[in-house]
Amino acid sequence: KAGVTQTPRYLIKTRGQQVTLSCSPISGHRSVSWYQQTPGQGLQFLFEYFSETQRNKGNFPGRFSGRQFSNSRSEMNVSTLELGDSALYLCASSLVGGGGYEQYFGPGTRLTVT
Amino acid sequence: GENVEQHPSTLSVQEGDSAVIKCTYSDSASNYFPWYKQELGKRPQLIIDIRSNVGEKKDQRIAVTLNKTAKHFSLHITETQPEDSAVYFCAANVEYGNKLVFGAGTILRVKS
Repeated sequence: KAGVTQTPRYLIKTRGQQVTLSCSPISGHRSVSWYQQTPGQGLQFLFEYFSETQRNKGNFPGRFSGRQFSNSRSEMNVSTLELGDSALYLCASSLVGGGGYEQYFGPGTRLTVT
Repeated sequence: GENVEQHPSTLSVQEGDSAVIKCTYSDSASNYFPWYKQELGKRPQLIIDIRSNVGEKKDQRIAVTLNKTAKHFSLHITETQPEDSAVYFCAANVEYGNKLVFGAGTILRVKS
């Protein structure tokens, strides 16, 4: 099976702009979670989508949003970018969304905000 | 609140020695504890996991132990090899769904 894929892999944006990142889960997986990874804060949970519904949300401002499509692909959007949003954004796919199931990460999108 | 503490932050071992990384979690409802290995510039890779109904799980040179009473779980790597050098993260699930809270990571260096 193909693994989790994310596009784009690298992105450079300026403050105030918005960005959309995409994640395609492993075939058959219905849950997609998003994480932000930075050297200072480590890996932090953003949100999880299962069957097109947001099931969980982390402690991030409303500028961070996401959605999931009927084919389980997911997008996350960050509006009004700030310098502190520079990070590696990882998505992880899981077979189901009930918790306690293996999550497999994509390669990430490296976002740089200037 | 939800928290996972991980120690040590860095660990240097000689090739062939064992390495142990320890984590403590705060949410009593956590029942799933995965470990990820992340090499420089690569994605976190799931290497082993354990669920709360099991005390120990082993997969070749790696093993994980869980003490639910103390809210501790540990990763054990035996016969370390240079390719084991990476950052290792522990995590615990919280709330409902697949939300994982991660430890801060351990940089493991295996010297040959």
